[in-house]
Amino acid sequence: GAVVSQHPSRVICKSGTSVKIECRSLDFQATTMFWYRQFPKQSLMLMATSNEGSKATYEQGVEKDKFLINHASLTLSTLTVTSAHPEDSSFYICSARGPRVSDTEAFFGQGTRLTVV
Amino acid sequence: GEDVEQSLFLSVREGDSSVINCTYTDSSSTYLYWYKQEPGAGLQLLTYIFSNMDMKQDQRLTVLLNKKDKHLSLRIADTQTGDSAIYFCAERGGADGLTFGKGTHLIIQP
Repeated sequence: GAVVSQHPSRVICKSGTSVKIECRSLDFQATTMFWYRQFPKQSLMLMATSNEGSKATYEQGVEKDKFLINHASLTLSTLTVTSAHPEDSSFYICSARGPRVSDTEAFFGQGTRLTVV
Repeated sequence: GEDVEQSLFLSVREGDSSVINCTYTDSSSTYLYWYKQEPGAGLQLLTYIFSNMDMKQDQRLTVLLNKKDKHLSLRIADTQTGDSAIYFCAERGGADGLTFGKGTHLIIQP
């Protein structure tokens, strides 16, 4: 199946700093990418949907100025957590889908464990 | 909004069948998915079913869908220790993204 690579897998940062997470589709063109957040023992919550070349669509309650999403190419989307705080510590997962209507599968990255200290 | 519910834990003996259940509320769901997540890892797509199907089988995995009751199940035959993981049910409705359940921890007893 298609491969989605997410980097880094783990990151620890200080409060107030920014962290960038990359999501790459390695062998297909991802016209749509999704960013999810998973709290411990909880489900995955969709944060935002990004389409290549346009602004991301954020879910209700997600601060777009805090979680900056850039989908500049068909193979790369980035999520930047700005001015990180300990409550932003979480597991962030991206997924990508191809351009065809029949693309039913959403392929997931390995996830990024963010710890803000 | 849409909601997906699944029980949090399931314990089975090695070699038995595991059945993980899921209910959802979105009547416009087009596809329903089962994902597996091992500790510290991302999600692995196990299988999916289109909403106009009622059953799909793939090797040890059998998915049953009761659209009327909005009930989805995943059966794993001959459960092995390597099947120990969290299993997420997810549905794709009108929105592009998926709505996930909280995940079912599958615990294998020797």
